[in-house]
Order: sequence, then C-alpha cells, then structure tokens
Amino acid sequence: NFMLTQPHSVSESPGKTVTISCTRSSGSIASNFVQWYQQRPGSSPTTVIYEDNQRPSGVPDRFSGSIDSSSNSASLTISGLKTEDEADYYCQSYDSSNDEVFGGGTKLTVL
Amino acid sequence: QVTLRESGPALVKPSQTLTLTCTFSGFSLTTSGMCVSWIRQSPGKALEWLARINWDDDKYYSTSLKTRLTISKDTSKNQVVLTMTNMDPVDTATYYCARIFPRDGYNYDYWGRGTLVTVSS
Repeated sequence: NFMLTQPHSVSESPGKTVTISCTRSSGSIASNFVQWYQQRPGSSPTTVIYEDNQRPSGVPDRFSGSIDSSSNSASLTISGLKTEDEADYYCQSYDSSNDEVFGGGTKLTVL
Repeated sequence: QVTLRESGPALVKPSQTLTLTCTFSGFSLTTSGMCVSWIRQSPGKALEWLARINWDDDKYYSTSLKTRLTISKDTSKNQVVLTMTNMDPVDTATYYCARIFPRDGYNYDYWGRGTLVTVSS
C-alpha cells in the first residue's frame, strides 16, 4: 500500500496562482494516473483534473495538473484565483493491485 | 443522465452490520469497463476509498478494511450493495458511491450525494 501526502492548507489572494502538491510514499508517481477532485462544503467531490493533466469539459483552463518523477509528486496549479475556487482539493491514485488511495486533502483559502 | 443515490440506515449500533445500497441510472454495470466504488468521509476528514466492483464482477477492497467489507452488484436492479461488519463509532461518516469508466477517462466522474451513517449506542 502507499500514501499520498498533501499540505493541510494553502492560501492565496484573488488573481494569483497557487500550487498544491501530492507526494506518493512508495511506487512511482508516473506509474498510475493521478486525479484531482474539488469538494465544496456540503457537496460531493467533482473532478478538476484526471489522468495527470486532463481537464474535464466545463473545468476552466485555469486548472492544470502535472507530475514530477524526481520528487515523486503530482501538482495541481490554479491560476487567476477566484473566490469560487475556495474548497478542499484531493489527489487520488492507485497501484498495480488496484488499491486506490486519496490524499489527505488541502483546504484552499482565497483571501 | 447519470445519477447515483445511496440509501441505508442513518443510525447503527456498535458491532452491528451496515448494509448500504447504491441505486444508479444512466449507465449499466454490464458495460465493459464500467466500475462503481464506495468511498467514505468522516466528519471533517479526508475521503477514504473502501471498495470497487467491476463490470466483470471483479472486486477490490481497501487493505485496511477488507476483512469487514463485502461489495456486490445486482445488474437487473442497477444496484451495488456494500456491507460492513462490526461497526464502530469511528466508522461514522458520509458514505458515497461513485462511478468510474476508464474508457472515458480514469476518474470518478459521477458521485451520489452521500448518506450519513452514525454509529452510536
């Protein structure tokens, strides 16, 4: 089994850019797709990035994803921050035995 | 239109068995590649994947909970059922079911609204 570690919280001002990291504890981050979900209070999660860097239709191009094998981590970058982006963000991946893992979540505050 | 809806008891006693049903529409679990998972979220905590069932009836469980979980499907009713034995107050959470269809992109693209289960005597 493996873990995905995220910062507990990040904050930034409207219009700025923020990056949320997701570090995989074992196994290569590049071996299995990483997804990112946004969850607003009282709502179910929705996908903002899938398969490392793909955006579902309807998700603005202010959201982007990437992976870095050197740090064994994935990143979610949100540019041109808006107050509506304030939410919890979770990374998710899996391994060859079909074990699925969510990160601990990051609370994004847009000040 | 794809929808999923979780149902089950809102309150269970410690040591009891929880049975949750996910009733879905807009897709079929007989479609090659289709999968449904159960995911839970304790109050104020992170998402936790519990189990997944595939169109071909392959089943996968969280390593830490596998001895307590059973997932099954009834394709004629468009339902996926999760049972969790020996419930404990730490199992208090909102339980979600969600669809994943890797052919369209690997992600949980549709989620139910979740059902809150409280474990208390």
